[in-house]
Amino acid sequence: QKEVEQDPGPLSVPEGAIVSLNCTYSNSAFQYFMWYRQYSRKGPELLMYTYSSGNKEDGRFTAQVDKSSKYISLFIRDSQPSDSATYLCALCTQGGSEKLVFGKGTKLTVNP
Amino acid sequence: GAVVSQHPSWVICKSGTSVKIECRSLDFQATTMFWYRQFPKQSLMLMATSNEGSKATYEQGVEKDKFLINHASLTLSTLTVTSAHPEDSSFYICSADRGAYEQYFGPGTRLTVT
Repeated sequence: QKEVEQDPGPLSVPEGAIVSLNCTYSNSAFQYFMWYRQYSRKGPELLMYTYSSGNKEDGRFTAQVDKSSKYISLFIRDSQPSDSATYLCALCTQGGSEKLVFGKGTKLTVNP
Repeated sequence: GAVVSQHPSWVICKSGTSVKIECRSLDFQATTMFWYRQFPKQSLMLMATSNEGSKATYEQGVEKDKFLINHASLTLSTLTVTSAHPEDSSFYICSADRGAYEQYFGPGTRLTVT
């Protein structure tokens, strides 16, 4: 079993839809959870990070962590064509200069 | 926000030559930087962790003599691909650690070896 599982998609939704992106993990030592957005041929952009179970909201984005189920989610409300990108979850076991473990990424297309 | 730059953004070189890629944190100091490689439609593969003033730590299977990493200052790390071959063609991305769990990525460098 891989440390982090993420459905690669592709996922295609109409503009305005609510998008749900998910990752599961097996190592309970992961304590920090990040979501990155990567446009084609660009470096990943940090969207959100959290270290506790529960929800964290930032504009149209909500990150959700359930440590008991080892399940993390990113919700995008009122999705826009500009949200079309690959979304990667990333986890690490502790803060500081720790290497991230990435999911494979989910490719999202929002159709106008 | 935190900005990380990479130079060059795209480089084409001939087989057997060496290529240097620079990674700079523009508005913060980074004790630790990371170098990744990404093949088309795949996720990022960590190559090495670079710490300022010390030797880089390479991931298993990454040839340290081929991929030379130098973290010269708190804002600059370089990756040199030595004696490049076509199979080294890839997208190389660096990230800089701003503390806690905030890693910021550069825009990437596309290397094509002919």
